[in-house]
Amino acid sequence: DGGITQSPKYLFRKEGQNVTLSCEQNLNHDAMYWYRQDPGQGLRLIYYSQIVNDFQKGDIAEGYSVSREKKESFPLTVTSAQKNPTAFYLCASSPGPSGYNEQFFGPGTRLTVL
Amino acid sequence: GENVEQHPSTLSVQEGDSAVIKCTYSDSASNYFPWYKQELGKRPQLIIDIRSNVGEKKDQRIAVTLNKTAKHFSLHITETQPEDSAVYFCAAIYYSGNTPLVFGKGTRLSVIA
Repeated sequence: DGGITQSPKYLFRKEGQNVTLSCEQNLNHDAMYWYRQDPGQGLRLIYYSQIVNDFQKGDIAEGYSVSREKKESFPLTVTSAQKNPTAFYLCASSPGPSGYNEQFFGPGTRLTVL
Repeated sequence: GENVEQHPSTLSVQEGDSAVIKCTYSDSASNYFPWYKQELGKRPQLIIDIRSNVGEKKDQRIAVTLNKTAKHFSLHITETQPEDSAVYFCAAIYYSGNTPLVFGKGTRLSVIA
């Protein structure tokens, strides 16, 4: 299960606080992704990055922000503007554009807003 | 953009029976269709994929079929075992190099011993 890691595994946040979720990969992959998983909703794309210093919004980017300053790192910040942040967050990476490349997922971070 | 519909949302089968999960996609240009399996509490993992130049692909007890005309593809699991119990996600993409995978909402498969 190595290669792509997320931390922390569990995270608790008070309303009104920003929080940053870590995602690191040592697979030398160009592309990285953030998904949100809620029961019955599947995998919803928040942000993705296909190259360092560039990223694009996914389907549910409002209330989230990302950066891609290094190839191996793609942190996600959940801001206070995100109205329902309690969810399971998955990070993934792929060697190149995901069309012909397997996506490798991290173990996930479960965020709970108190 | 692409939209992927997945059915059923839940599926229960007796051990040893077959299970079939179906997905439809909207973009006729889509040409890559992977399937991911997510066991309880674990990360999704690729189990099989198919590209639009083939109609069927098998890997031991699992197979995927693709009907480009009807824009649907299916996952078939034969001789199901309790360890097949998981959530399965289909996905689709047109390989343009600019857009990521679009996932279905998942099917929770329960194999009853």
